[in-house]
Amino acid sequence: DAKTTQPPSMDCAEGRAANLPCNHSTISGNEYVYWYRQIHSQGPQYIIHGLKNNETNEMASLIITEDRKSSTLILPHATLRDTAVYYCIVPGDSGGYQKVTFGTGTKLQVIP
Amino acid sequence: GAVVSQHPSWVICKSGTSVKIECRSLDFQATTMFWYRQFPKQSLMLMATSNEGSKATYEQGVEKDKFLINHASLTLSTLTVTSAHPEDSSFYICSAREVGRNYGYTFGSGTRLTVV
Repeated sequence: DAKTTQPPSMDCAEGRAANLPCNHSTISGNEYVYWYRQIHSQGPQYIIHGLKNNETNEMASLIITEDRKSSTLILPHATLRDTAVYYCIVPGDSGGYQKVTFGTGTKLQVIP
Repeated sequence: GAVVSQHPSWVICKSGTSVKIECRSLDFQATTMFWYRQFPKQSLMLMATSNEGSKATYEQGVEKDKFLINHASLTLSTLTVTSAHPEDSSFYICSAREVGRNYGYTFGSGTRLTVV
């Protein structure tokens, strides 16, 4: 699976947009980018995923660069409940099966 | 949406005993399931990948005889921590992927294991 790189931490003021970047320069043409978040002591929660087009759902927007080597997760109006660790993941084939590994993620702190 | 139920949510056991953790996909069939371990303030570490109908594939450094994984059916996977020791105390999380979908990994709520 493609390696991803994220900043270790970010702060965002409540009500403002939170923009979380992710580099995945080794991504291959048919690999999706997934975003999850983990609130303390809970299982990761799916946020959004995409292949090459920008995506939007009720939680967030995902902007993928044209070369697909990086992406940005956008939380349009961050709330205190959005404080969590956000993971960008690119699962890939590994010996015939998909493998999902986590990097260190970005710890987002939403500030009142 | 897809739901993965993990049970128990927490367990305390004595050193030397075995503990079984269950992971069930409630409304979908899962060909592939993943087991992770997470220590405090660290990221999730993949322990093993199991595909229904075949043996689990363990990550380097994970003892297959200590962490027994059984993908019994398309809706159930179990992780058994055998002869548990205090250093096995951790947060264990499972994940499942729906049959026929090229995307969508759903995670369980995790199991907090404390070995005393």
